[in-house]
Amino acid sequence: DTGVSQDPRHKITKRGQNVTFRCDPISEHNRLYWYRQTLGQGPEFLTYFQNEAQLEKSRLLSDRFSAERPKGSFSTLEIQRTEQGDSAMYLCASSLPRTDTTNEKLFFGSGTQLSVL
Amino acid sequence: QKEVEQNSGPLSVPEGAIASLNCTYSDRVSQSFFWYRQYSGKSPELIMSIYSNGDKEDGRFTAQLNKASQYVSLLIRDSQPSDSATYLCAVIPETSGSRLTFGEGTQLTVNP
Repeated sequence: DTGVSQDPRHKITKRGQNVTFRCDPISEHNRLYWYRQTLGQGPEFLTYFQNEAQLEKSRLLSDRFSAERPKGSFSTLEIQRTEQGDSAMYLCASSLPRTDTTNEKLFFGSGTQLSVL
Repeated sequence: QKEVEQNSGPLSVPEGAIASLNCTYSDRVSQSFFWYRQYSGKSPELIMSIYSNGDKEDGRFTAQLNKASQYVSLLIRDSQPSDSATYLCAVIPETSGSRLTFGEGTQLTVNP
């Protein structure tokens, strides 16, 4: 079990640049989530995939953010024209198919720390 | 009203004491409740899940759920310095599909 893998661990970029993060979920998990976390706050939901379908996206999510999961395996999160307010830890999580409540447990990756200068 | 609210803390207890962490939620028909632990600079890890009213015990941890009061808590018995972390309460609101919603977390420090 290799767990949820995220790349890169850290990203420093200049305001206005585009950045892309990658997440590889646990292999048998068909559900994948992206969250954002700032210091002193709980993780904030961004978007959710079941297989390759993006089923939910936060209303708070700017149109500068886009996520894909083209083959139902790994996912990418892209932020266009980054702003200083985008600086945060971006967390990916995965879980098993929701056949019952015991499969609602999320397993998190180590996150990508984004700093926008 | 926030969907999930926690005592912001920080909470400090001496080693060996009971630490009590509290959480309330707004969606009355929520069915799934979780406690995650997050060490500084690390990602959240699941420590407890609870789905029915009452208590659920796992080692030194006890989760308590009261759906009528929309309240969930976590008790940590015989607290250890290694328990020092931020504890996140999380709920799946019934209206959200599968979206896990987190509170802001309570920072716990266990003093030797």
